Amino acid sequence: QQPVQSPQAVILREGEDAVINCSSSKALYSVHWYRQKHGEAPVFLMILLKGGEQMRHEKISASFNEKKQQSSLYLTASQLSYSGTYFCGTPDSGNTPLVFGKGTRLSVIA
Amino acid sequence: EAQVTQNPRYLITVTGKKLTVTCSQNMNHEYMSWYRQDPGLGLRQIYYSMNVEVTDKGDVPEGYKVSRKEKRNFPLILESPSPNQTSLYFCASTNLISGEETQYFGPGTRLLVL
Repeated sequence: QQPVQSPQAVILREGEDAVINCSSSKALYSVHWYRQKHGEAPVFLMILLKGGEQMRHEKISASFNEKKQQSSLYLTASQLSYSGTYFCGTPDSGNTPLVFGKGTRLSVIA
Repeated sequence: EAQVTQNPRYLITVTGKKLTVTCSQNMNHEYMSWYRQDPGLGLRQIYYSMNVEVTDKGDVPEGYKVSRKEKRNFPLILESPSPNQTSLYFCASTNLISGEETQYFGPGTRLLVL
């Protein structure tokens, strides 16, 4: 079942913060986060595991709330290079393939 | 360098003409998969493979075939392409080792079926 991401799109000025959420109607085993720039392949950012710690990639961090069946991606002091579409992916169960959300388009402007 | 390669990168074809998109990875991963990406729909899985000679359908397998004769290769086959298969296709290779989980995507193949 496809996870739901919110917001669908967000525009930030350089230096501003943003939060992207990824929610599932099913129990989450793990959440993977990717960023895709226009015309390029998705690039892995980080994975959040059930019972694991909050993770970071540069100034981007993420948390995993098992009870809420949700993960949040925090972009702090955004840079122009953060622009792109962010996807979360979750496995249906254990080591099964990832099902991706529809993505959140982030635009950082000067 | 960890790499997933796909060929061709761009392809224009006509309805019904069989085609194959190749995918190869150099990371010795057991797990590989194919996705298609369409505007507004995100990434949807077509097929995946847990290991050599083991393949399974994803969310949108109709009109596609795959094979996994060797660990490194996972070609996507369209026996009789139709215009609704016009899309951007990504092959992915996944490290499932606990604590090292990550997924690598190929550069993508943009397919236009006329």
